[in-house]
Amino acid sequence: GAGVSQSPSNKVTEKGKDVELRCDPISGHTALYWYRQRLGQGLEFLIYFQGNSAPDKSGLPSDRFSAERTGESVSTLTIQRTQQEDSAVYLCASSSYTGTSYEQYFGPGTRLTVT
Amino acid sequence: LAKTTQPISMDSYEGQEVNITCSHNNIATNDYITWYQQFPSQGPRFIIQGYKTKVTNEVASLFIPADRKSSTLSLPRVSLSDTAVYYCLVGDMRGGANNLFFGTGTRLTVIP
Repeated sequence: GAGVSQSPSNKVTEKGKDVELRCDPISGHTALYWYRQRLGQGLEFLIYFQGNSAPDKSGLPSDRFSAERTGESVSTLTIQRTQQEDSAVYLCASSSYTGTSYEQYFGPGTRLTVT
Repeated sequence: LAKTTQPISMDSYEGQEVNITCSHNNIATNDYITWYQQFPSQGPRFIIQGYKTKVTNEVASLFIPADRKSSTLSLPRVSLSDTAVYYCLVGDMRGGANNLFFGTGTRLTVIP
């Protein structure tokens, strides 16, 4: 594909509902990242997948957050029992080490609004 | 955790050179320095990456002193379209993501 894609682009949900956010990385990229960005704030690392290694979940803010990735393809970020403080833009990025640099390619993000 | 410190905001007139400095006192031997640009409602976009001395591409230059505890992104002759948030990122991707820290970035406003 041309780049990283994410769906949906916007999601409005009621407090307490579960949501699933999807990320399609660039084909062949071994690494995939999820970030959260609250309005006017910087990026907050959530989780990192690298090939078939165990994911780095050190950034997940609570056990309501989880993510899966099938091989080196699609990833899904799930937020259970959503809270208003979960409202943010969720960004996905993928990358692959070229031997000289490690550039992350970001998707357009999913804007989540919890009402 | 190699954290970074940047100015929160900067203003510049069109046509001027802009230099944004990032401090990273705890940078590790294997860490690279990467700068990203983010426009409103978009994901960040890679600008430039370096390890030491000077790196230049078609968009910007990156100056890194010998001690590597800081770096300066230089944007030549900025235009209105360069108004964005600029993030300095320090980390060794090969070591996992636990040392990735984007911070709040520097909001650059280019004035006509």
